[in-house]
Formats: sequence, C-alpha cells, structure tokens
Amino acid sequence: DIVMTQSPDSLAVSLGERATINCKSSQSVLYSSNNKNYLAWYQLKPGQPPKLLIYWASSRESGVPDRFSGSGSGTDFTLTIDSLQAEDVAVYYCQQYYDTPPYTFGQGTKLEI
Amino acid sequence: EVQLVESGGGLVKPGGSLRLSCAASGFTFRNAWMSWVRQAPGKGLEWVGRIKSQRSGGATDDAASVKGRFSVSRDDSKNMLYLQMNSLQIEDTAVYHCVTDALHGENYFDLWGRGTLVTVSS
Repeated sequence: DIVMTQSPDSLAVSLGERATINCKSSQSVLYSSNNKNYLAWYQLKPGQPPKLLIYWASSRESGVPDRFSGSGSGTDFTLTIDSLQAEDVAVYYCQQYYDTPPYTFGQGTKLEI
Repeated sequence: EVQLVESGGGLVKPGGSLRLSCAASGFTFRNAWMSWVRQAPGKGLEWVGRIKSQRSGGATDDAASVKGRFSVSRDDSKNMLYLQMNSLQIEDTAVYHCVTDALHGENYFDLWGRGTLVTVSS
C-alpha cells in the first residue's frame, strides 16, 4: 500500500499570510503514460462533509477559491493557501488514487489562525 | 440536488451488527463507483470499502481492517448504497461517509455525504 505522510501535523498562520502543507507518498503517484499525478487534497470542517479542493495534484475543483493551489510531482506535493481567511480553519488531507484499492490518506494537518 | 445522505448509524455493543444506508440523488448512480470512508474520533480519514458499477463488473473491495466483517452492496433500482457491518469492534467507532467519484469519474472523491455516527460500546 502507498503510505501518505503529511507535514506538519498542525500549524498556525496569521490572517492574510500564507499557509503551506506538505504531503509525501511512499512511492511515485505519477502515471507516466498521461503525465498526471494521482493526488487529491480535501478540506474537513466540523459538522460539514469533507470537500474536494484539488485533484491531479494541481487542478482546482470548481468553486474553490483561487487562493488554494496545489503543486508537486512524483512523491512530493504541497497545498498552499495564500492570504489566509478565517474560514480556512480546517483539517486538510492529501490522498492518493494512483494504486487502489486501498485509497490512502495522509494523517491530516490541522490549520489554525 | 446532487447529494449523498447516510443513515442507519447508532449505538451497538461489541460483536453486534449494523447496516448503514446511503441515498444518492442528482447523478447517474448506476454508473458510479461508490465507497465508504470513515473517521474515528480524533483520527484521520480511512477508506473502508468500494463497489464498482455493474457495467464495470460490480466487484467489491474492502480495507484490510474490515475484511471479512464488513461488506458493501448497492441497489441501483433505488439509488442506494449499503454497508453491512458485522462483528463490530470498539475501534470501528467512527463517522461513516458515503463517497463517490461520479461527478468527474476519475477515481478521486468529488462528492461526500455528511456521514452517520456509529458508536461501538458496551
């Protein structure tokens, strides 16, 4: 199984500043035939269903603010939130869908103001 | 409206059974691969099991942690997904989410239900 490891486990960022969350996979999730990274990011807020933010490592889901961006390739990925807003307080998870089953998630990163 | 709504959670004793249901609407359910994902209190997300669409063969897959105890099924005539949970253990306590990749069809989870809480306790 592919193991996903996020860092840090938690971070506190001031309003208006940038938040950066890292995700590392135990093996590459880049599919060479289509040059796509099978990596997604989700946002979890209490009392709400998880929300897809980013897929293919860098494609933003419809309706997601453009302050959210994803980058990286192979085994190392980053979720960046520019100009942090109060509503961005949440737990963020990366997930690989390159080699399933099982679908595997990182352990989560708790973002606070 | 495009949505997934889970039901059937509750309190059950260790060793007991429970069946969760998920009602799907707003998309072509019969063509969708469906999964269950859970989140235990204070823990992260864990994929539990999946069922493919009938046109993809309808096969099921389960996480190692639930293999032989849980089973995923579907009723395409009712747009319903199920999770039969047997031999429940305390560590199965979690919110169980019904999820799908139906909106994009690309194997990442683009639609989630709010979840239903399962508590295993004596």
